[in-house]
Amino acid sequence: SQQGEEDPQALSIQEGENATMNCSYKTSINNLQWYRQNSGRGLVHLILIRSNEREKHSGRLRVTLDTSKKSSSLLITASRAADTASYFCATDALAYNTDKLIFGTGTRLQVFP
Amino acid sequence: GAVVSQHPSRVICKSGTSVKIECRSLDFQATTMFWYRQFPKQSLMLMATSNEGSKATYEQGVEKDKFLINHASLTLSTLTVTSAHPEDSSFYICSARKGFRGGLNQPQHFGDGTRLSIL
Repeated sequence: SQQGEEDPQALSIQEGENATMNCSYKTSINNLQWYRQNSGRGLVHLILIRSNEREKHSGRLRVTLDTSKKSSSLLITASRAADTASYFCATDALAYNTDKLIFGTGTRLQVFP
Repeated sequence: GAVVSQHPSRVICKSGTSVKIECRSLDFQATTMFWYRQFPKQSLMLMATSNEGSKATYEQGVEKDKFLINHASLTLSTLTVTSAHPEDSSFYICSARKGFRGGLNQPQHFGDGTRLSIL
């Protein structure tokens, strides 16, 4: 399977704590993207990091990328109850010369108030 | 902005019915749209890539005669589940990417999904 893997599968924390999610993928990439999905809804794009970038920030989000290890991490600082959602990494299939994204297995984050 | 509208949000129908789901990019043109299927607590599985003005590209294992895709304009793609059966019950999500094919480093913009329940 081309699908990437994320860990942990589930994460429960208290408001104010930081949440870290990790993603591993299998092929060469142009970029890696992180998406968020609230229960029963579509996905919302959070951040895109290009293959020649190592770190990127957006508000309380920090993403790192290590292409030598084919891995990425998403850090959410000072979490809030509203951050409760599933988070997916996705890579574009450069190796397959297509436009499609390959999604990871996802991390379900629950933030308790 | 980049808004994708998906309709309907929920469908409940009898076995044997055909169901059409629409995916519209409201404020941008999308030559390529994507259709995904998602089972509870699982990731998204790409079903097919919808290309404006040409045939869709289906992923391995997806029946093209079962899941008909039409992308007749730069802002609309439709997925028709033909003769739906209970095993087709799932959450279907579409997405669209700005720009033309091969637009690298662009995110996908997702609709809110359609919950399909076949009785």
